[in-house]
Amino acid sequence: DAGVIQSPRHEVTEMGQEVTLRCKPISGHNSLFWYRQTMMRGLELLIYFNNNVPIDDSGMPEDRFSAKMPNASFSTLKIQPSEPRDSAVYFCASSHTGVDEQFFGPGTRLTVL
Amino acid sequence: SQQGEEDPQALSIQEGENATMNCSYKTSINNLQWYRQNSGRGLVHLILIRSNEREKHSGRLRVTLDTSKKSSSLLITASRAADTASYFCATDNDYKLSFGAGTTVTVRA
Repeated sequence: DAGVIQSPRHEVTEMGQEVTLRCKPISGHNSLFWYRQTMMRGLELLIYFNNNVPIDDSGMPEDRFSAKMPNASFSTLKIQPSEPRDSAVYFCASSHTGVDEQFFGPGTRLTVL
Repeated sequence: SQQGEEDPQALSIQEGENATMNCSYKTSINNLQWYRQNSGRGLVHLILIRSNEREKHSGRLRVTLDTSKKSSSLLITASRAADTASYFCATDNDYKLSFGAGTTVTVRA
């Protein structure tokens, strides 16, 4: 298995631009998570999908952030408009059931200038 | 919000030595998990210990859990240069993992 796939690996954009991060979970996993990692706040859960349905989006910072999971093999996290404080590494993770080990992707390093 | 807190924040050891790091948490948990993160990479799951377990082994890893003290420890025996990484404990309550700030381990050759 290729593991969790994220793209792009690096993204540099200017403040105000729209950013879309992509994730392909491991086939057969029914749970998908988006996390954000910063030095100041560590790893934070942004949103959790189960069977393609958003279950918990309480970690989404504000309305500028949105996430979708149109099918079991694809999810996006969109930031519009982006701000410098959104600069972070964004991880996607998937798990078989949601309550067991999570498999993380390599992350997308986002820099907003 | 971070529930688990690792101690120490950083650890430097010689290859072949053991490394021990601790994790304390505040509220009751279902399970506690340990993850490793190499620089610039995603997290890799190491071990999951359930709330009714006290000790678990996986290769050179040994994890203990004391629910009465709300603490866990991760021991890496006979460390190798490849063990250089950050180690995170994560408490879970159903699907939600709460990660600590991590312990950065450097293994010197």
